[in-house]
Amino acid sequence: DAGVIQSPRHEVTEMGQEVTLRCKPISGHNSLFWYRQTMMRGLELLIYFNNNVPIDDSGMPEDRFSAKMPNASFSTLKIQPSEPRDSAVYFCASSFWTSGDNEQFFGPGTRLTVL
Amino acid sequence: RKEVEQDPGPFNVPEGATVAFNCTYSNSASQSFFWYRQDCRKEPKLLMSVYSSGNEDGRFTAQLNRASQYISLLIRDSKLSDSATYLCVVKRSTASKLTFGTGTRLQVTL
Repeated sequence: DAGVIQSPRHEVTEMGQEVTLRCKPISGHNSLFWYRQTMMRGLELLIYFNNNVPIDDSGMPEDRFSAKMPNASFSTLKIQPSEPRDSAVYFCASSFWTSGDNEQFFGPGTRLTVL
Repeated sequence: RKEVEQDPGPFNVPEGATVAFNCTYSNSASQSFFWYRQDCRKEPKLLMSVYSSGNEDGRFTAQLNRASQYISLLIRDSKLSDSATYLCVVKRSTASKLTFGTGTRLQVTL
């Protein structure tokens, strides 16, 4: 079975450019999470969706970041305009949410470098 | 203060050694606890959940101390393949959101 799929795996762009990261969650999962990981700050939750609805976007750094989930099988994280401090690894994860504890499965990540 | 704190390490141990990591959390309302493992340049993966009574999975033992708000992970008979970063993870409620520590790096050597 395919796990969480992210694209692109690597992205190098110049400051000011728009960046779009893509995620396909595991089929049947109803929760999707976007994380950012840096050496300094570790793994930070940016936003998460339940049943395609954004539940908590308090981790989104600022208005330059936006995320959408138009359907159960696709989500995007957009940065516009990008800045060098956005350089990080961005992970997407999915889970089947119920009231109990459910494992989050992570995609391989997108390594973003903003020059 | 960070919600989840870990010693970043690295912990350098010889093969066969026993090593323990601790993690503290600040929010007493936290309900669920986990250890995730992350290999270099890979994604995090669930290692084990942590239950109030403590639990074991092969060479790995996890314990929770709610009164002191800390979680521990003990690895016995370390293998080279155990070299990774171990992330302490806390969940506050039945909501989906997880809070990750910055991780403790383990390097097992010959």
